[in-house]
Amino acid sequence: GESVGLHLPTLSVQEGDNSIINCAYSNSASDYFIWYKQESGKGPQFIIDIRSNMDKRQGQRVTVLLNKTVKHLSLQIAATQPGDSAVYFCAGGGGADGLTFGKGTHLIIQP
Amino acid sequence: DAGVIQSPRHEVTEMGQEVTLRCKPISGHNSLFWYRQTMMRGLELLIYFNNNVPIDDSGMPEDRFSAKMPNASFSTLKIQPSEPRDSAVYFCASSWDRNYGYTFGSGTRLTVV
Repeated sequence: GESVGLHLPTLSVQEGDNSIINCAYSNSASDYFIWYKQESGKGPQFIIDIRSNMDKRQGQRVTVLLNKTVKHLSLQIAATQPGDSAVYFCAGGGGADGLTFGKGTHLIIQP
Repeated sequence: DAGVIQSPRHEVTEMGQEVTLRCKPISGHNSLFWYRQTMMRGLELLIYFNNNVPIDDSGMPEDRFSAKMPNASFSTLKIQPSEPRDSAVYFCASSWDRNYGYTFGSGTRLTVV
């Protein structure tokens, strides 16, 4: 089955800087990946997704990069704001087991 | 659409009592998931329904946990009897397909004392 893990449990960045959150996955057959944001006291919320036939996808202030060679994906947040403070989860799937979630990276924004 | 709706938002109960958590998925979604979230284990899938039928319940911790989906717009997760180690946040999520984006509810924070 799939396993998904984030590289760092906590990431601290200065307000206004760019943030990069990394994630690795194990199953090369996974063809769909998604990033979620979870604010305190709330459920995970969809940020952006990407299919395996793409290397990059951009949203509003966010970019997801997928490197299938090393089974790695990252979430880049441009010009980090206080409202970006949250736990970020990556998830991967496409096989019989559905989506597998990583444990999350807590993004802390320093003023 | 109002999204995935869970109730109650918070539940405090005594050990040994029965607890029932409720979920209303997004209309049109045929996949429903119950997750448990703790600091130690992160998000754990408890059970997955497709078209109201339980497909994968391998994550259900033990016989004290049961889940039902009597129709496409309602599901329950029941714990009987509850124990302190069941304290966690329980999320319901729904999707149009198991392998693509899930929409999560706001969760139920359960505290068993």
